[in-house]
Amino acid sequence: GAGVSQTPSNKVTEKGKYVELRCDPISGHTALYWYRQSLGQGPEFLIYFQGTGAADDSGLPNDRFFAVRPEGSVSTLKIQRTERGDSAVYLCASSLKGSSYNEQFFGPGTRLTVL
Amino acid sequence: QQPVQSPQAVILREGEDAVINCSSSKALYSVHWYRQKHGEAPVFLMILLKGGEQKGHDKISASFNEKKQQSSLYLTASQLSYSGTYFCGTAFNSGGSNYKLTFGKGTLLTVNP
Repeated sequence: GAGVSQTPSNKVTEKGKYVELRCDPISGHTALYWYRQSLGQGPEFLIYFQGTGAADDSGLPNDRFFAVRPEGSVSTLKIQRTERGDSAVYLCASSLKGSSYNEQFFGPGTRLTVL
Repeated sequence: QQPVQSPQAVILREGEDAVINCSSSKALYSVHWYRQKHGEAPVFLMILLKGGEQKGHDKISASFNEKKQQSSLYLTASQLSYSGTYFCGTAFNSGGSNYKLTFGKGTLLTVNP
């Protein structure tokens, strides 16, 4: 079956621009997570969706970051007024349910470079 | 609250064993282990829940010591395919947020022929 997919795989943008990153979770998975991974670091939690609602957005660094999941499937991470410090790999993961009992399946990530 | 992984890096010859540790300063609810190859997505290995269980499949196993707030990943008779960076992700039960994983910085494992 299909795994988690993310588009684009690479995104290069200029400082100050707006970007959208898309995540297609595994079909039937109600829980969806966004992480950010910088070089030499582990994934860092950004936001968790259970269904359509953002159940926990405590990891979003500031109000330039926003994410939606309008139909409980595909999710989009939106970054406004990008800064060079936003450069990282953005990973999406999904799991059957949002609990510690369920493994999270990661997508290949979107590498964002802000020039 | 980020877990501490040790060692930071290890180099093995094919067939040798390795242990990777993951320690937390806070009481753990569960520990998730992943392996990530360069430029690829993290791949799930196993989950250990509080209760001090031990799990394994093939030649990779793990233990969870709740009292010590520590988990260890054991790789036996390593294969070239085991090369990659291993991450532990820890979950705490505070406020019902046990879905939320906090990852360590990773352990880079290199297996040479």
